[in-house]
Amino acid sequence: AQSVTQPDIHITVSEGASLELRCNYSYGATPYLFWYVQSPGQGLQLLLKYFSGDTLVQGIKGFEAEFKRSQSSFNLRKPSVHWSDAAEYFCAVGGNEKLTFGTGTRLTIIP
Amino acid sequence: KAGVTQTPRYLIKTRGQQVTLSCSPISGHRSVSWYQQTPGQGLQFLFEYFSETQRNKGNFPGRFSGRQFSNSRSEMNVSTLELGDSALYLCASRPTGHPMNTEAFFGQGTRLTVV
Repeated sequence: AQSVTQPDIHITVSEGASLELRCNYSYGATPYLFWYVQSPGQGLQLLLKYFSGDTLVQGIKGFEAEFKRSQSSFNLRKPSVHWSDAAEYFCAVGGNEKLTFGTGTRLTIIP
Repeated sequence: KAGVTQTPRYLIKTRGQQVTLSCSPISGHRSVSWYQQTPGQGLQFLFEYFSETQRNKGNFPGRFSGRQFSNSRSEMNVSTLELGDSALYLCASRPTGHPMNTEAFFGQGTRLTVV
């Protein structure tokens, strides 16, 4: 069975500081991995995805993520956060026509 | 290009009633998936349709059902509503082909409140 763990429920960072959101997955084969962002009352927007190839993937809004097979991780990073990055972030693993999501990490930005 | 459209955006129903939610995928997309999002359970997969056929189903009771029409629009129905069905229901569409190597585009969701 596939599963995703996001160990941090809530993270607070200062505007301009760097960010890393953690994601660990369990999947029996080569995983398809995704990071989505959700603003309050909105749907999900894809930030980036990993299917194969280069393990460092670039996404929108200045985000990147690194796939580490040995650690079963796909952590999301951003060098300098902006107040508009405040939202909930979901890591997901794909397979068998469905996405399995983590429980999400709520990001708060302080001035 | 229009995005995924879900209607209605908000809905209030009474326990025991039934409800139908609608999803219009992006033009040309043939795969539609439904997810339930609640504070307690997070995002959970309901079912996925491709070319009018249900290809996969999540672990939900039979009260939850869906269908897809020839124009790829999809509906999901929940019968005999319970308080615990209150949630944000999200629809996602994909173009075609292998489901996982194409991006899923999500709608804004339908917020269902059961009272």
